[in-house]
Amino acid sequence: NAGVTQTPKFQVLKTGQSMTLQCAQDMNHEYMSWYRQDPGMGLRLIHYSVGAGITDQGEVPNGYNVSRSTTEDFPLRLLSAAPSQTSVYFCASSWFRGDSPLHFGNGTRLTVT
Amino acid sequence: GNSVTQMEGPVTLSEEAFLTINCTYTATGYPSLFWYVQYPGEGLQLLLKATKADDKGSNKGFEATYRKETTSFHLEKGSVQVSDSAVYFCALRTNAGGTSYGKLTFGQGTILTVHP
Repeated sequence: NAGVTQTPKFQVLKTGQSMTLQCAQDMNHEYMSWYRQDPGMGLRLIHYSVGAGITDQGEVPNGYNVSRSTTEDFPLRLLSAAPSQTSVYFCASSWFRGDSPLHFGNGTRLTVT
Repeated sequence: GNSVTQMEGPVTLSEEAFLTINCTYTATGYPSLFWYVQYPGEGLQLLLKATKADDKGSNKGFEATYRKETTSFHLEKGSVQVSDSAVYFCALRTNAGGTSYGKLTFGQGTILTVHP
């Protein structure tokens, strides 16, 4: 089973460029989310979705867009990359229940110069 | 709002030592509690979970008990190995209503290094 698949694994962008981080899951989970992980900051929620066509903002949504056209896919778009967006990004999915653990992808390491 | 507080690291132990990583929480309603582990260069993996008071989660020799009276979920292992070196995250998730519904709240993470 693939679980949660993120692409690419690594990416370098120049300031002002845009790009899309891809996330796909094959577990039919309703809930999908994006986190960023920075040293000393733990994991911070960027955006999340509770089903196709439904998205909402997390703690740090500025500079990022998401959409959820299918149950399986939840891409994260950086509109105009900034050095402050240098981070490791994780996609995660689960059933939308309080006792359901999140299943994480292996992450995308993004550097913005 | 919900919050999770973990003991600050890093924690450095010798192989076969006893491990405790403290975790306390505040939450509305009755949260489920989780411990995740992150090995270098990888994503987070679920280590164990507990969904109600007095439940004990266990996996790979690690244990944690859901203590509602002290709002704690401390992680323990009787004899650590070098291969346990990783970052450990405590987290909670709640079914309570409001803006926290369904979101996972993480602690800051504790770096564990085990020496031979």
